[in-house]
Amino acid sequence: ETGVTQTPRHLVMGMTNKKSLKCEQHLGHNAMYWYKQSAKKPLELMFVYSLEERVENNSVPSRFSPECPNSSHLFLHLHTLQPEDSALYLCASSQGANTGELFFGEGSRLTVL
Amino acid sequence: AQSVTQLGSHVSVSEGALVLLRCNYSSSVPPYLFWYVQYPNQGLQLLLKYTSAATLVKGINGFEAEFKKSETSFHLTKPSAHMSDAAEYFCAVSEGPWGLTGGGNKLTFGTGTQLKVEL
Repeated sequence: ETGVTQTPRHLVMGMTNKKSLKCEQHLGHNAMYWYKQSAKKPLELMFVYSLEERVENNSVPSRFSPECPNSSHLFLHLHTLQPEDSALYLCASSQGANTGELFFGEGSRLTVL
Repeated sequence: AQSVTQLGSHVSVSEGALVLLRCNYSSSVPPYLFWYVQYPNQGLQLLLKYTSAATLVKGINGFEAEFKKSETSFHLTKPSAHMSDAAEYFCAVSEGPWGLTGGGNKLTFGTGTQLKVEL
């Protein structure tokens, strides 16, 4: 059982669809993150949850909606996306703020048609 | 504000040769610095980290990095490349452990360097 599990691994959706990405961590961590990874660009921090409360929202368009029902689960709800939103979406977790070590999942590859 | 610059988006070395991946940072406070590795179809994995202790940091798989404040650099090296080292490498900076209010780490990543190892 891997530490951080993301589903689905691949997702293709049209611009009018609604879908969700799921992340689950089995490490007992208290912070979870969504990152967007696009080709030739730095990883972009989208959302951070600490102790199930959102502590960071990096000016992400409202078509991305995060949800953190408990410290082990994180969702990213997607609706009316654009083709430029196609990317690898990475979930990560960490324990506190003192190590800087993030544990990443394998990512969900999203393609918006 | 913090930032990271990785020189060279692609680096190619022969198996057994020295690996050198460059990283320069900008930070308004003493930084914490990290190298992560991403193998194909996988997430990122921590290689090593500098958190204001020894300036020469050793990580997994024989990699090490040296923090040089005067040069604002944190270059990653490995004496002898192996085929299994082929991956993308990311340098990241964090302004201390304080991160975000209420917890969490705000890492700023570089654009990555793709390492190719040839026979």
